[in-house]
Amino acid sequence: EIVLTQSPATLSLSPGERATLSCRASQSVSSYLAWYQQKPGQTPRLLIYDASNRATGVPARFSGSGSGTDFTLTISSLEPEDFAVYYCQQCSNWPLTFGGGTKVEIK
Amino acid sequence: EVQLLESGGGLVQPGESLRLSCAASGFTFSTYAVDWVRQAPGKGLEWVSSISGSGRSTYYADSVKGRFTTSRDNSRNTLYLQMKNLRGEDTALYYCAKGRTSLSTPFDSWGQGTLVTVSS
Repeated sequence: EIVLTQSPATLSLSPGERATLSCRASQSVSSYLAWYQQKPGQTPRLLIYDASNRATGVPARFSGSGSGTDFTLTISSLEPEDFAVYYCQQCSNWPLTFGGGTKVEIK
Repeated sequence: EVQLLESGGGLVQPGESLRLSCAASGFTFSTYAVDWVRQAPGKGLEWVSSISGSGRSTYYADSVKGRFTTSRDNSRNTLYLQMKNLRGEDTALYYCAKGRTSLSTPFDSWGQGTLVTVSS
């Protein structure tokens, strides 16, 4: 099973700041990595697929990068609605796995 | 608009069974893989199972293999999850999720979830 480790667990930032979230895989997942956003009481929302492709309707301030074992989700300038939990997911190997999540909170 | 509506959750005792359903609309159901993903209270996401559009291929997390069975009825646009020998650690909100394209692809649509509570 591929283990995805997300860091940091919590990121405390102010609106307008840049957020950089990390996801590291225990073995290569090529570019088969996705990022999701989940707000309290809401369902997850797909943000990024195949490491760097924005899903439909996702604002350009969200970007993904990386390949192999190291991936990054960057939010260029945090909007109030971006404070949420973010999960990475690998779709390279069965079983599919999610990371433990990074909570982006208001500082 | 894609819609996924789960049902069938509830409170059961350890060792009992439950069947979840997910009614899909707004897309050609038979051409997409669909999955179950669960989230224990206050915890992260855990993938549970996947089934191909035809229903011929299925995959499971180790934690549920042998106890859970996913199936689909493409004539009814409905996904199922039969859960047997339920344990306390199966307590979670169960989401059905549509694959973006085929099997083993990210999930671009999610239902609102149905809550399963396993407790004596």
